[in-house]
Amino acid sequence: GAVVSQHPSWVICKSGTSVKIECRSLDFQATTMFWYRQFPKQSLMLMATSNEGSKATYEQGVEKDKFLINHASLTLSTLTVTSAHPEDSSFYICSASFESSGNTIYFGEGSWLTVV
Amino acid sequence: KQEVTQIPAALSVPEGENLVLNCSFTDSAIYNLQWFRQDPGKGLTSLLLIQSSQREQTSGRLNASLDKSSGRSTLYIAASQPGDSATYLCAASSYGKLTFGQGTILTVHP
Repeated sequence: GAVVSQHPSWVICKSGTSVKIECRSLDFQATTMFWYRQFPKQSLMLMATSNEGSKATYEQGVEKDKFLINHASLTLSTLTVTSAHPEDSSFYICSASFESSGNTIYFGEGSWLTVV
Repeated sequence: KQEVTQIPAALSVPEGENLVLNCSFTDSAIYNLQWFRQDPGKGLTSLLLIQSSQREQTSGRLNASLDKSSGRSTLYIAASQPGDSATYLCAASSYGKLTFGQGTILTVHP
């Protein structure tokens, strides 16, 4: 089946630094990718929709200047958390779908970010 | 705006019991509904996907049903095992976006 790879799985960074998370569709071209965030004991929340070649669409309450999303190719989307703070510590997960997937959405493995 | 609610929030059962997890959604205009499993520190594992035109899907000991008109889905787990312990999430799909419930934390004890 379709595979979405996310990297890194775990990352620890210092407060004030930036960290990049990659999401790749390994065997299909994903015109749209989605980024979610999950805080402890809470459900996954959609952060933004990433469209190849265009600006991402952010959900209400998500700072677009803090969470930079780039979707430069049909197989790669990146999420950069800029000037990270401890409250940004969370589980970040991407998903992707393609036209013939029948609206099935494939998820990456997720990335655990800890800001110290 | 779609809202998804899962009941119960947590469930603890002895091994071997059959159990039901409930999921409700407010907007019936969905493409499909999916059930996921999440183990601590891990990503999501897709369990079952029910298209909007379907009533149920089965995989092994898992059976998921969908009633769009009432905005409900249930996940039935037969003969539960300790390895089933995890958080179970349901998600309603509309226009390629998923709206997740809060999850049900399942503990199956030997």
